[in-house]
Amino acid sequence: DTGVSQDPRHKITKRGQNVTFRCDPISEHNRLYWYRQTLGQGPEFLTYFQNEAQLEKSRLLSDRFSAERPKGSFSTLEIQRTEQGDSAMYLCASSLAEAGGLETQYFGPGTRLLVL
Amino acid sequence: AQTVTQSQPEMSVQEAETVTLSCTYDTSENNYYLFWYKQPPSRQMILVIRQEAYKQQNATENRFSVNFQKAAKSFSLKISDSQLGDTAMYFCAFMKHVAGNNRKLIWGLGTSLAVNP
Repeated sequence: DTGVSQDPRHKITKRGQNVTFRCDPISEHNRLYWYRQTLGQGPEFLTYFQNEAQLEKSRLLSDRFSAERPKGSFSTLEIQRTEQGDSAMYLCASSLAEAGGLETQYFGPGTRLLVL
Repeated sequence: AQTVTQSQPEMSVQEAETVTLSCTYDTSENNYYLFWYKQPPSRQMILVIRQEAYKQQNATENRFSVNFQKAAKSFSLKISDSQLGDTAMYFCAFMKHVAGNNRKLIWGLGTSLAVNP
């Protein structure tokens, strides 16, 4: 069990460029969550997957954002036409959802995005 | 909608002493889960302790324990014998118990804890 990994750890881009982040969850986990954390704030939910199905998206996720989890394993989060307001830490978490049970989310190190 | 409030933006404690971080939450749900996570500087979010709302007994994990007061909607974290490695941002988080549905975490703003030598 190597934990949740994210790549890249840091990304600097110019406004208007597209960026893509990757998350590799813990291997047996069926749920994957994306959160965004800005400076001085707690994380905010963006979207989540149950296996390969994207089941909910936050209103924070504008049309410029898209997320996939094509084979129910790793996930990608793409931001098109980046804006300075997109600058944040993007956190990925995975969990094993069991019927009626306590579900604990385990987090990756995050991808810190800076849009110039 | 659920909300989580952490009223202490910053705290400090001397090494080996005890410190308590406060967290209150607002919900109309009866079944839910509560978590404390820590986020050390430039490092990832780590689970500290978790509590199921239907359990009356307070959770403990080594030097970490909680005081869960369901009626008061309070979930404080006590750190005993503080160590330098406890220096971090601590977040309180709430999760609804919704079978088969989104178990997103609702977060407080965090408390920055500094353990001083």
